[in-house]
Amino acid sequence: AQSVSQHNHHVILSEAASLELGCNYSYGGTVNLFWYVQYPGQHLQLLLKYFSGDPLVKGIKGFEAEFIKSKFSFNLRKPSVQWSDTAEYFCAVIGETSGSRLTFGEGTQLTVNP
Amino acid sequence: NAGVTQTPKFRILKIGQSMTLQCTQDMNHNYMYWYRQDPGMGLKLIYYSVGAGITDKGEVPNGYNVSRSTTEDFPLRLELAAPSQTSVYFCASSYFPWESDNSPLHFGNGTRLTVT
Repeated sequence: AQSVSQHNHHVILSEAASLELGCNYSYGGTVNLFWYVQYPGQHLQLLLKYFSGDPLVKGIKGFEAEFIKSKFSFNLRKPSVQWSDTAEYFCAVIGETSGSRLTFGEGTQLTVNP
Repeated sequence: NAGVTQTPKFRILKIGQSMTLQCTQDMNHNYMYWYRQDPGMGLKLIYYSVGAGITDKGEVPNGYNVSRSTTEDFPLRLELAAPSQTSVYFCASSYFPWESDNSPLHFGNGTRLTVT
């Protein structure tokens, strides 16, 4: 079975600080990986995804993530955060034998102080 | 396109009551899902459907039922509400198999349910 772990459950940063949110997955085969963002009171929206190819994936709003297969990791990064990045971030994985069922991590609440 | 529409947005139930959470999508997606979101737990899959007439259990199906009589609609039924079902419920849909440039899941805005 596939699983996802997000190490930091609550991160507090000041504006312009750099961000890295950890995500590790457990699955032995080929995976597709995703980061979703949930702004307060809203539904989840896709930030970026990795299907294949270049392991460094760029998403919307200046976010990027790097797939490191040897570490089973897919960490999310942003060089300089803004107050508007305050949200909850979810990592998700789907393995090749999982059909269409995404498995989500626990989520990381990011608070950016102005 | 309206996308994925969920109703109601909020609901308070008493223990033992029943209700149906409605979900409809207008994107002609074949796959639909119900997730529940609890603080610190992420999203857990309750049920999913790969097409009209076909449903299957996810990680946490106990206490829920679903049906998929049409491509568009995927209602979630709570027969005997319990406090443990207090949660935010999200419906989602997708076209599967995914193309590399598609978003895998399109989410509705959620239903916040409280059982007291």
